[in-house]
Amino acid sequence: DAKTTQPNSMESNEEEPVHLPCNHSTISGTDYIHWYRQLPSQGPEYVIHGLTSNVNNRMASLAIAEDRKSSTLILHRATLRDAAVYYCILSPYYYTDKLIFGTGTRLQVFP
Amino acid sequence: NAGVMQNPRHLVRRRGQEARLRCSPMKGHSHVYWYRQLPEEGLKFMVYLQKENIIDESGMPKERFSAEFPKEGPSILRIQQVVRGDSAAYFCASSLNRDNHEQYFGPGTRLTVT
Repeated sequence: DAKTTQPNSMESNEEEPVHLPCNHSTISGTDYIHWYRQLPSQGPEYVIHGLTSNVNNRMASLAIAEDRKSSTLILHRATLRDAAVYYCILSPYYYTDKLIFGTGTRLQVFP
Repeated sequence: NAGVMQNPRHLVRRRGQEARLRCSPMKGHSHVYWYRQLPEEGLKFMVYLQKENIIDESGMPKERFSAEFPKEGPSILRIQQVVRGDSAAYFCASSLNRDNHEQYFGPGTRLTVT
């Protein structure tokens, strides 16, 4: 399974943008990049996914490097509710597969 | 549209007892995944099921653990003769089909073995 590398923790102030990086230098051409987050004492929550082009949805934006060896999850205005562990996960594009969770990035948001 | 439902939310079992964890996927979803999160550890995949079929059980412990997803009713994760090391949060996720990449997670069942 292709691996991802994320910083252990990041901090942000409320209402500021947050850029969460993920390195995946061994990504294959058929891997989607997924982001999930887990709020305290809750199950993981799907955030966004993409293949090659940048993606936007109501929760976040996903910026994918041209060589696809890294990506960045962008929260445009952090809120206290965004404090969570964020996971960057690679998965084959041609079918839904089990998710291999790493250690993720713990995001702290300060008022 | 109700999300993924899991019950019970909390389960306490004594060593040697059986634990049954239930998962009702989102309406219309026919794919179910079970994950386990041990205390202070990350989420680990256990098993992937489609209605009446086990697709991938590569993460299931070889003994005492079994899973099913019958044609009717919820998916069941069964742990026989529980030990203290089984204490964890067990999460179920569902997806619409194999082409849809979003997995929707339930709130989890927190199993405590005393």
